[in-house]
Amino acid sequence: DAGVIQSPRHEVTEMGQEVTLRCKPISGHDYLFWYRQTMMRGLELLIYFNNNVPIDDSGMPEDRFSAKMPNASFSTLKIQPSEPRDSAVYFCASSFASGGRYNEQFFGPGTRLTVL
Amino acid sequence: AQSVAQPEDQVNVAEGNPLTVKCTYSVSGNPYLFWYVQYPNRGLQFLLKYITGDNLVKGSYGFEAEFNKSQTSFHLKKPSALVSDSALYFCAVRGSSNTGKLIFGQGTTLQVKP
Repeated sequence: DAGVIQSPRHEVTEMGQEVTLRCKPISGHDYLFWYRQTMMRGLELLIYFNNNVPIDDSGMPEDRFSAKMPNASFSTLKIQPSEPRDSAVYFCASSFASGGRYNEQFFGPGTRLTVL
Repeated sequence: AQSVAQPEDQVNVAEGNPLTVKCTYSVSGNPYLFWYVQYPNRGLQFLLKYITGDNLVKGSYGFEAEFNKSQTSFHLKKPSALVSDSALYFCAVRGSSNTGKLIFGQGTTLQVKP
């Protein structure tokens, strides 16, 4: 398996522009997570899905952020409009539950977003 | 509420010496505990987990962790550190029951000097 795939790996944009980050989870995984990592705040969970349904979006900073999972193999995180304070590394991770047990999350390589 | 704490921002150790990265947790119910490692400009990589059973859990790259229920700790250990072990280490605990969500600590930077 190729692991969790994220694109783009790097994104540089100007304030006010729309940014779309993409994630392909590991095949067969039923959980998908979006995280943001900054020096100041560390690793923050933004939102997670189970079987394509958003379960907890309490970490989404504000209405400028939205996430979708139209099918089991694809998710997007959109920022519109982007602001310089959104600059961070965004990670996608996936995992699966089996027999009532929740297994480890597998992380993608991340997207480094810079908003000028 | 579930929480996890890594009391040290940084741990320094000489190559060849044993290393310990500390983690304490607070959960209601049985804990699911995890350790991850992050190398520069990379995503987090799973090292090991404790679900149930043996208190000493062995993981990748020679790492192990000891689950201590009375001290609510899950310290990461390695008998002999390598320079290549230098990285950022995260401890995590599963969120409330019936969720796949993990609560991560703030991370500990491990520096192994030759």
